[in-house]
Amino acid sequence: DAGITQSPRHKVTETGTPVTLRCHQTENHRYMYWYRQDPGHGLRLIHYSYGVKDTDKGEVSDGYSVSRSKTEDFLLTLESATSSQTSVYFCASMGQGGKSLPYEQYFGPGTRLTVT
Amino acid sequence: GIQVEQSPPDLILQEGANSTLRCNFSDSVNNLQWFHQNPWGQLINLFYIPSGTKQNGRLSATTVATERYSLLYISSSQTTDSGVYFCAVRRVDYKLSFGAGTTVTVRA
Repeated sequence: DAGITQSPRHKVTETGTPVTLRCHQTENHRYMYWYRQDPGHGLRLIHYSYGVKDTDKGEVSDGYSVSRSKTEDFLLTLESATSSQTSVYFCASMGQGGKSLPYEQYFGPGTRLTVT
Repeated sequence: GIQVEQSPPDLILQEGANSTLRCNFSDSVNNLQWFHQNPWGQLINLFYIPSGTKQNGRLSATTVATERYSLLYISSSQTTDSGVYFCAVRRVDYKLSFGAGTTVTVRA
């Protein structure tokens, strides 16, 4: 599998605080993604990136921002965390670099975020 | 966007049984992947299969792109096969559309 790590793996934070989740990949993949997974909703795309400094919104982007200053790193920021953002967040990457097949998407291990 | 439907939503198997999971999609696709989410939450790649048939151990998959469906076969199921199986498709952009998943429970 592609080398994708996420940090932190678990976080508890209070309502109204900013939170940043980090995704790091070592496959030189062009495309990176942030999803959230909630019971009954499956995997929903928050934001994605199609290159350094190139990002676009997904289907549930309100309250989230992203940045990608290097190929290997994709940051997700919750500007002011709310209880509705309690979820499991997955990062993914896809590209033609490294050991993976062209355009095959791989997931990181996930970050469990609880907003109290 | 493209619609992805998976069936059945839930499947309970006795260890050793065989099963077939189905994924239907509403339009032509450039890519189709199957993932397994294990009980610990990890999403594991099973198959990258835009068309044709592939096998990996007890698992195999077939995609008939012209008829817009894919099948995942689990043979001689084991308790470690439990979890949720997702199908995901990609069109010309680089975003994937996911099905809602099939939850498989294999009982010893």
